[in-house]
Amino acid sequence: AQSVTQLDSQVPVFEEAPVELRCNYSSSVSVYLFWYVQYPNQGLQLLLKYLSGSTLVESINGFEAEFNKSQTSFHLRKPSVHISDTAEYFCAVKASGGYNKLIFGAGTRLAVHP
Amino acid sequence: KAGVTQTPRYLIKTRGQQVTLSCSPISGHRSVSWYQQTPGQGLQFLFEYFSETQRNKGNFPGRFSGRQFSNSRSEMNVSTLELGDSALYLCASSPDSGRAYEQYFGPGTRLTVT
Repeated sequence: AQSVTQLDSQVPVFEEAPVELRCNYSSSVSVYLFWYVQYPNQGLQLLLKYLSGSTLVESINGFEAEFNKSQTSFHLRKPSVHISDTAEYFCAVKASGGYNKLIFGAGTRLAVHP
Repeated sequence: KAGVTQTPRYLIKTRGQQVTLSCSPISGHRSVSWYQQTPGQGLQFLFEYFSETQRNKGNFPGRFSGRQFSNSRSEMNVSTLELGDSALYLCASSPDSGRAYEQYFGPGTRLTVT
């Protein structure tokens, strides 16, 4: 079985400041790791994913996440946030050999202030 | 390609009633998964259908059921509604191969049980 812990329920930050959203996971099997973003009244959008290979993965809108196997973490970072990044962010895992069942963390609400 | 569509977007039902929600996946996707999102429990996996067969199921009571049609459209049904069933129900579809690990979410159906 897998579990995901997002260490911060809310993260307030000023515009253009850096941010880190923390995610730790637990699994007895190898997993794929994901970050999803949810804007108000919308579904989830895939932000980035780690499958294998390079431990640093990047998205097209400036976010990056680093897979750390020894610390079982997959923290999300952005060097400079914008007001439009205000949303809820979910970390998720999926067993690499299993069917499509995502296990989500509780979410982190990122609030970017001017 | 059109994205995942869900109907209706909003629904209000009374305790004891039943409800059917519909999901149309991205064209060519045969895997459809359903998730329930509530403030208290977060995002939880309900079930996954592939080629008209349920191949994975979460820990929900038997009041929650689903089916998939030959055109990959899926429905989920909740019978004998309870107040705790109020939630955002999200549907996601996945490609068969290649990026089969990616799930594309619809906007959700917000169900309110009174």
